[in-house]
Amino acid sequence: DIQMTQSPSSLSASAGDRVTITCRASQTFNGYVNWYQQKSGDAPKLLIYAASSLYSGVPSRFSGSGSGTDFILTISSLQPEDFATYFCQQSYSMPPTFGQGTKLEIK
Amino acid sequence: QVQLQESGPGLVKPSETLSLTCSVSGGSISSGSYYWSWFRQPAGRGLEWIGRIYTSGSTNYNASLKSRVTISLDTSKNQFSLKLNSVIAADTAVYYCARGDTRSPFYFDYWGQGTLVTVSS
Repeated sequence: DIQMTQSPSSLSASAGDRVTITCRASQTFNGYVNWYQQKSGDAPKLLIYAASSLYSGVPSRFSGSGSGTDFILTISSLQPEDFATYFCQQSYSMPPTFGQGTKLEIK
Repeated sequence: QVQLQESGPGLVKPSETLSLTCSVSGGSISSGSYYWSWFRQPAGRGLEWIGRIYTSGSTNYNASLKSRVTISLDTSKNQFSLKLNSVIAADTAVYYCARGDTRSPFYFDYWGQGTLVTVSS
């Protein structure tokens, strides 16, 4: 199985900050990474698919990049509603596997 | 807007069978463009994919759970179900259902909010 190593596991930031979250895959591939947001008690929400495509209805302050083994989620200017947990997922090979998650907290 | 909702017992005894149902609203479970998956997340750990079922009834399971898992579809009720038998304490987790797109890049676009299942006597 492909391992997805996500960092950092937690992050403190302020509204208006730019933050980046990284996922490193245990093998190289292009494009097959998706990013999700999860708030406590809620269903996960798809943010970014295919490494860099913004899912319908997701604000443009969210962006994704990367290829090979390193993939990045960037939030350009944090809004109060963005404080949540974020996780990556590879869809390159079965089974789909996930990063451990990054908890984004208010500083 | 598609919505998924998990339901089932929150407490299961060791060696018994965990049974959960995912009810789908706002869309047909029979759409050929999608498949239906189960995941779980033990406390403090990442998500683990359990398996999936296509509208044809074809299934795939995670090799680590394959001998104990069955996923089935009930199109008349717009639901799909998970059965995990011979449960142990390590099966304690929040269980999620989700819709997967059969087309590349194979993301999961709708999820349930999850249900906690505790395995304990």
